[in-house]
Amino acid sequence: QQQVKQSPQSLIVQKGGIPIINCAYENTAFDYFPWYQQFPGKGPALLIAIRPDVSEKKEGRFTISFNKSAKQFSLHIMDSQPGDSATYFCAAAKTSGSRLTFGEGTQLTVNP
Amino acid sequence: DTGVSQDPRHKITKRGQNVTFRCDPISEHNRLYWYRQTLGQGPEFLTYFQNEAQLEKSRLLSDRFSAERPKGSFSTLEIQRTEQGDSAMYLCASSLVAAEQFFGPGTRLTVL
Repeated sequence: QQQVKQSPQSLIVQKGGIPIINCAYENTAFDYFPWYQQFPGKGPALLIAIRPDVSEKKEGRFTISFNKSAKQFSLHIMDSQPGDSATYFCAAAKTSGSRLTFGEGTQLTVNP
Repeated sequence: DTGVSQDPRHKITKRGQNVTFRCDPISEHNRLYWYRQTLGQGPEFLTYFQNEAQLEKSRLLSDRFSAERPKGSFSTLEIQRTEQGDSAMYLCASSLVAAEQFFGPGTRLTVL
């Protein structure tokens, strides 16, 4: 059972563009929603995370939008740079639990 | 460097051999997690420790897999009688606050 669905699978934008990656979850018990950035051959790095008591969280150029009623959340990258080219994963978890459940990933390419 | 470390970074083995991986978490983190990631997919949860106690195991963790965290510090993941389907990136993560997990660089296993 795929509990976190992520789209699109790949995304190409020009430098300065605003890529948007979307995730949808099924389990209403999830209450922690992080985004990770992964470069080839490296482990995932925690970028930003949100809890369902807020609808938006911003850290630097990264913003999470959260829609609890739709069970959806998205990552926006402002003023994207070629160095942002990586694979991005959304995830979900119960803070009372242990495991993160990851989406399938989005391969982002930012062209110069 | 105070991040999560994993050793070795790469391991090539022949089918049927046993392999062991080590993870050193961030020093004050009492929670430790193992995940497996195959090419083009998000990480999948394997097991979770709080201090030295193994509190949760995924159904992915067959009886050929065993994990330990003997003194609540570093952890080892052993795979016995490796199969080609075990080829993957094995990721370790640690956390102080439940769900906020920080990943290591991973161990890339190739089974020939």
